[in-house]
Amino acid sequence: QVQLQESGPGLVKPAETLSLTCTVSGFSITRDYFWGWIRQPPGKGLEWIGKIHHAGNRYYNPSLNSRVTMSLDTSKNQFSLQLTSVTATDTAMYYCARLGWAGVGSAVYRWFDPWGQGTLVTVSS
Amino acid sequence: DIQMTQSPSTLSASVGDRVIITCRASQSISDWLAWYQQKPGKAPKLLIYKASTLQSGVPSRFSGSGSGTEFTLTISSLQPDDIATYYCQQSGRFSYSFGQGTKLAIK
Repeated sequence: QVQLQESGPGLVKPAETLSLTCTVSGFSITRDYFWGWIRQPPGKGLEWIGKIHHAGNRYYNPSLNSRVTMSLDTSKNQFSLQLTSVTATDTAMYYCARLGWAGVGSAVYRWFDPWGQGTLVTVSS
Repeated sequence: DIQMTQSPSTLSASVGDRVIITCRASQSISDWLAWYQQKPGKAPKLLIYKASTLQSGVPSRFSGSGSGTEFTLTISSLQPDDIATYYCQQSGRFSYSFGQGTKLAIK
């Protein structure tokens, strides 16, 4: 079955760039699905970061849009997140997930499933 | 941006109780809503999508309803394994957002 695993540095200095990779197994990222990133600051709720499709479509949270870049590496079946100019408020558990979908008439429904186990990124000098 | 507001923020109930969690959207989202369960130290798990469709493998005591701006997640008979934080999430065409979460405890 499809599995996702996040990887990357657990500690990033302020003003630097956070870079994470999600490795997908059991499912090709070139199939007709979006792939997404979600984060959760310690003790707080979930925040959607962005989503990407192998056809090139990318959508980012407007509150993070100027600092976020997502990309795909189809040869490795991976997708990645870069977040620039980080501050302490970017400290969070970062999750990657597949976006399941269903079409009903002209509507397309999407949801996050499954999720990776998450990776904690701390921003500190 | 669409804001999602859950109520209550915390909830204490007894085993066997019927539990209802509400999620309100700041504008109509039709039935573009999902519910997740998150246990401590774990990733969220999908329970319901399209407002009322139960994900495969999720116990039938969970159900979802609603459309437009008001939605509910119902647990028909609370079990000890249901202790978790629950989140709603809207899936608009280009941007998503989550509710702030409802933490469920056993009384």
